[in-house]
Amino acid sequence: SYELTQPPSVSVSPGQTASITCSGDKLGNKFVCWYQQKPGQPPVLVIFQDNKRPSGIPERFSGSNSGNTATLTISGTQAMDEADYYCQAWDGSTLMFGGGTKLTVL
Amino acid sequence: QVQLVQSGAEVKKPGASVKVSCKASGYAFPSYDINWVRQATGQGLEWMGWMNPDSGDTGYAQKFQGRITISRNTSISTAYMEVISLRSEDTAVYYCAREVRDASGIWFDPWGQGTLVTVSS
Repeated sequence: SYELTQPPSVSVSPGQTASITCSGDKLGNKFVCWYQQKPGQPPVLVIFQDNKRPSGIPERFSGSNSGNTATLTISGTQAMDEADYYCQAWDGSTLMFGGGTKLTVL
Repeated sequence: QVQLVQSGAEVKKPGASVKVSCKASGYAFPSYDINWVRQATGQGLEWMGWMNPDSGDTGYAQKFQGRITISRNTSISTAYMEVISLRSEDTAVYYCAREVRDASGIWFDPWGQGTLVTVSS
């Protein structure tokens, strides 16, 4: 079965750039989206179709996808961005999530 | 605004079944598939299956085949997911989510608020 791999945790200082990766075989051939989840809340879509932002999502969130790796980048990270982030892709028949990355802003 | 509102928390005994509801508002219910995703405490997201509210067609992750049923009542814009033969490992928050799809892939927006199902003797 197809698997998506994320680092369990990433740390970043306020105002710096955070990068969260999602790896899978030939992932660049699929479209990836990203969700942000804060404690006790449902996930919220922050990136879809690799690099598009839904309305209401700040411009500091961006995405890319090439080769075997998709990346969520948060520029000028703020304390409010501390959360779990999940990548998601679809291989035409099965939908899968990455294991999630806890972003700590310290 | 587009919104999915789920039913309240449930406590069930092992071997029992549970049915969680998901009421949609703010959009044409038949026009978007509904998916179900669960999350055990402190764990990641696990996709369970989908339903087309217009046709009633469904698809389930292999892990859940035969143990879950997704259905709908279009007259009240509500989707349901039933899980049978519950075991302790099914204790989790269950989410419904509206699927948006085009040739470029699938994404979920928005999600319901989640329903905690606790399986305990």
